[in-house]
Amino acid sequence: EPEVTQTPSHQVTQMGQEVILRCVPISNHLYFYWYRQILGQKVEFLVSFYNNEISEKSEIFDDQFSVERPDGSNFTLKIRSTKLEDSAMYFCASKPGPLQETQYFGPGTRLLVL
Amino acid sequence: RKEVEQDPGPFNVPEGATVAFNCTYSNSASQSFFWYRQDCRKEPKLLMSVYSSGNEDGRFTAQLNRASQYISLLIRDSKLSDSATYLCVVNKGGSQGNLIFGKGTKLSVKP
Repeated sequence: EPEVTQTPSHQVTQMGQEVILRCVPISNHLYFYWYRQILGQKVEFLVSFYNNEISEKSEIFDDQFSVERPDGSNFTLKIRSTKLEDSAMYFCASKPGPLQETQYFGPGTRLLVL
Repeated sequence: RKEVEQDPGPFNVPEGATVAFNCTYSNSASQSFFWYRQDCRKEPKLLMSVYSSGNEDGRFTAQLNRASQYISLLIRDSKLSDSATYLCVVNKGGSQGNLIFGKGTKLSVKP
């Protein structure tokens, strides 16, 4: 069964450094998402992406964040200058099209900012 | 009012028990409703979608009441492997379908 994959599984970085989290959505999916989950808290929406542009973003997704689909398979989340409060689990998700509601989640990248 | 609110839990039950999870949501524009389960430090995995007519999948039954903006999940004959956090999830509305998660209710099934 096709799966969303994410790399790396864990990332430790120093405050102020840039990080890029990578995702490979399921191959025929058209809608892509990033969510995050701070330890002990709920999963929160960050951004949705369709047709090579951001469709919607949350208040969390400020100027320090950006997303990109550099080729036909990868979907990346960049944090330009990490802060301590960016420490969280970051989940990528995808879904096939507008009429399908189910989103499929990747295993996540655990980011720790020191 | 929180966008998606769930019983705080945790629920500790013996094997074979019946467990009920409740959830309310505030966005009347939401059109799709789900229960996900999340194991510790893992990604959310879809357990089942929730339809207005109610739906059942083996030991799991989900109900939706749009008028009261209420969703429920019933697990019958609970197993040790049902131990997880159960997340009530609604979509925001629109084709993007951004998901809004509840904080989850942790279930521990004991032998």
